[in-house]
Amino acid sequence: EIVLTQSPGTLSLSPGERATLSCRASQSVNTNYLAWYLQKPGQAPRLLMYGASSRATGIPDRFSGSGSGTDFTLTISRLEPEDFAVYYCQQYGSSPWTFGQGTKVEIK
Amino acid sequence: EVQLADSGGGLVQPGGSLRLSCVASGFTFSSYWMTWVRQAPGKGLEWVANIKEDGTEKNYVDSVKGRFTISRDNAKNSLYLQMNGLRAEDTAVYYCVRGRSFFSVWGQGTLVTVSS
Repeated sequence: EIVLTQSPGTLSLSPGERATLSCRASQSVNTNYLAWYLQKPGQAPRLLMYGASSRATGIPDRFSGSGSGTDFTLTISRLEPEDFAVYYCQQYGSSPWTFGQGTKVEIK
Repeated sequence: EVQLADSGGGLVQPGGSLRLSCVASGFTFSSYWMTWVRQAPGKGLEWVANIKEDGTEKNYVDSVKGRFTISRDNAKNSLYLQMNGLRAEDTAVYYCVRGRSFFSVWGQGTLVTVSS
């Protein structure tokens, strides 16, 4: 199975700053079938991106995704208070679908 | 409004069984693959199983094969997960989610605790 490793584990930033989250796969992800989710405490995850770079419905354009093969990035151009949460990447190119362990974006 | 309502979680002893249910509303349930994803306390997400629109294809993560069974009743807009031979490592919040590949609609989750 494909193992996804997210870095850093925790990102301490202030509102208005830029956040860059990394997701590295143990082998190439087919057709860039990679998604990103945001999860707040006590809530279900929320889809942010799919296909590595396509924003889900209702997701603001301060979120962007990039990458291919084994290296993917989620960028939040200017952090809003509601963006502080845990972020997960997920690959759906090879069964079983797998998730990264998460990156926590916390307020500095 | 598109919604998924998970239920059926609870405390069960090791080796026991539990059946999770998920009722869908606000969309044509029979037109979508459906999936179960779980999250152990304080941990990340794990894909568990999925089922094709008509129920003819089912897939499972290796750790639950032979113990869990996913099923659906399109007439009732319902998804199920029958869990047998439960182990401590199955303790998690189980989410019903819409879709096969990436997941745009999630239930609120139901907590399964396996403990003596």
